[in-house]
Amino acid sequence: GNSVTQMEGPVTLSEEAFLTINCTYTATGYPSLFWYVQYPGEGLQLLLKATKADDKGSNKGFEATYRKETTSFHLEKGSVQVSDSAVYFCALPSGGYQKVTFGIGTKLQVIP
Amino acid sequence: NAGVTQTPKFQVLKTGQSMTLQCAQDMNHEYMSWYRQDPGMGLRLIHYSVGAGITDQGEVPNGYNVSRSTTEDFPLRLLSAAPSQTSVYFCASSYASGDYEQYFGPGTRLTVT
Repeated sequence: GNSVTQMEGPVTLSEEAFLTINCTYTATGYPSLFWYVQYPGEGLQLLLKATKADDKGSNKGFEATYRKETTSFHLEKGSVQVSDSAVYFCALPSGGYQKVTFGIGTKLQVIP
Repeated sequence: NAGVTQTPKFQVLKTGQSMTLQCAQDMNHEYMSWYRQDPGMGLRLIHYSVGAGITDQGEVPNGYNVSRSTTEDFPLRLLSAAPSQTSVYFCASSYASGDYEQYFGPGTRLTVT
């Protein structure tokens, strides 16, 4: 089945630093790719998605490009804020009955 | 829309007790699922359902039971709680077609002593 490999954290950055969280995938065909975010004490919520190869998803200053050549969907933000402190999950449909496979999650801490 | 709701938010059980975690959605989603989240383990799928009357096992189903009598509700039952079931539990739902974007509930933090 489809799978994702996500860099492990935690990642600690100073405010206004550049963020990259790596995600690579293995998939049959070209399924949609997702980044979810989990703020402390909350459930996961969709951050952004890309539905086909070469698409770029973006939201709240975050971006990720669906790259089929490198089978990657890295999350980037040019200038992080303290409020971006959260756990970030890469995900894709895992094949069959709408199941979704999530990466292990990367905890981001942004310090002032 | 309330989205996906879960109750209770927190629960403490003694080993051997049983309980039901409630999950409901008001988006008419066909697909619903239960995950548990443990430190360093990410999200692991417990059970899922593709519609009323249809359920199947996920990655870690042992010790849990589910049923789906309506489109809206998908309760998770712990038959005989064990300390290994201490975790945060999330319910999620999605449409059965399209890109399978998941909508999550706020979670239930369960401690088994």
